[in-house]
Amino acid sequence: EAQVTQNPRYLITVTGKKLTVTCSQNMNHEYMSWYRQDPGLGLRQIYYSMNVEVTDKGDVPEGYKVSRKEKRNFPLILESPSPNQTSLYFCASSLSGDLAIYEQYFGPGTRLTVT
Amino acid sequence: AQSVTQLDSQVPVFEEAPVELRCNYSSSVSVYLFWYVQYPNQGLQLLLKYLSGSTLVKGINGFEAEFNKSQTSFHLRKPSVHISDTAEYFCAVSRGGSTLGRLYFGRGTQLTVWP
Repeated sequence: EAQVTQNPRYLITVTGKKLTVTCSQNMNHEYMSWYRQDPGLGLRQIYYSMNVEVTDKGDVPEGYKVSRKEKRNFPLILESPSPNQTSLYFCASSLSGDLAIYEQYFGPGTRLTVT
Repeated sequence: AQSVTQLDSQVPVFEEAPVELRCNYSSSVSVYLFWYVQYPNQGLQLLLKYLSGSTLVKGINGFEAEFNKSQTSFHLRKPSVHISDTAEYFCAVSRGGSTLGRLYFGRGTQLTVWP
């Protein structure tokens, strides 16, 4: 089954404790992206990657890191989480040819709480 | 940066009634426009997109949207809604080109369909 998986789905952690949220897709997509969703603010793009070893900042990259060493994986790293990073996080992927990039497939989401 | 305004945060409507969800964007240059739907506790799913050509775009589940360049709007419509259309709807825009991969979302409109 074609899908985007995220782990963990739920995470409660404390301020300053490094964490990684994994994202993996099995559709051989070049493009992957991370978003955060906050009530009343919609989705905001954190980072995106057009292909392996290529990453770019979105709207709200501060406090986050990403890497794209393999095509299927795009982990989101919070080196020192803070309470303002409490949010619902979505990973998405798509093909990148022409405008197929906008046919994004979203993962189920990771709800992160930082205390 | 792009700005996307969804004029209504909540739209309640009775089943079988028509509905319009409004979206305006800030740029007057060429843009690509999208509507995504998020059902409860799920990720987002592409509903429809405008890339070029006909200004009336048809999507899944009987939804359609009209691109109006002069009014910088991309309103979503459905002539007769069902209970199953209850979800949050997000308008999104991208300029493409060198910013291909950057996607800007509105804050969302919660559509609630009552029996």
